[in-house]
Amino acid sequence: DTAVSQTPKYLVTQMGNDKSIKCEQNLGHDTMYWYKQDSKKFLKIMFSYNNKELIINETVPNRFSPKSPDKAHLNLHINSLELGDSAVYFCASSQDWTRVDSQNIQYFGAGTRLSVL
Amino acid sequence: GEDVEQSLFLSVREGDSSVINCTYTDSSSTYLYWYKQEPGAGLQLLTYIFSNMDMKQDQRLTVLLNKKDKHLSLRIADTQTGDSAIYFCAESPSPFDNYGQNFVFGPGTRLSVLP
Repeated sequence: DTAVSQTPKYLVTQMGNDKSIKCEQNLGHDTMYWYKQDSKKFLKIMFSYNNKELIINETVPNRFSPKSPDKAHLNLHINSLELGDSAVYFCASSQDWTRVDSQNIQYFGAGTRLSVL
Repeated sequence: GEDVEQSLFLSVREGDSSVINCTYTDSSSTYLYWYKQEPGAGLQLLTYIFSNMDMKQDQRLTVLLNKKDKHLSLRIADTQTGDSAIYFCAESPSPFDNYGQNFVFGPGTRLSVLP
């Protein structure tokens, strides 16, 4: 069984559209994250939720809005898509981000490749 | 802010050892990680080391940490073509010292294994 699953795997859309990427983890973890990997393969954290509460909100345009209906899900909604939003978006989860031990290890999904035309 | 640096490319011959280096700036880093990303795939955790350790070995992988110089390395023994991938170094500050801080990734080292 996939531990952290993202859907869709590929997303091709036009500028100006609104789209969502879903993420689900079946590991029973408390903390979930969204990362953006750009064309140069740099990974930047965007958001993090712990037990459905937002704990990290990096400098990301307001067009990006995360939603956590329960602690096993963290979805990313993007409004008015722009060309620069094209990237691979990774979801991740960890047991407890406050722990200083193996409980803080992050497990990643396979990524969603977003192409904005 | 925190920064993690890696050389971007490394080529080795099959059977040789690969050494991927990483430097970081945050002295409060608690965990240091190595992730592997194969083409079109997600990030796979290879290994991690706690900041009070100098070395960790796991089969063909050896991680060395020089905390004084803030230098981390990953050695892959007997490198195979299947090891060709991008290797990301990442660090995680202590959550108790840096509320709201989280993982910082390096740019990734592209390892090419030549037959």
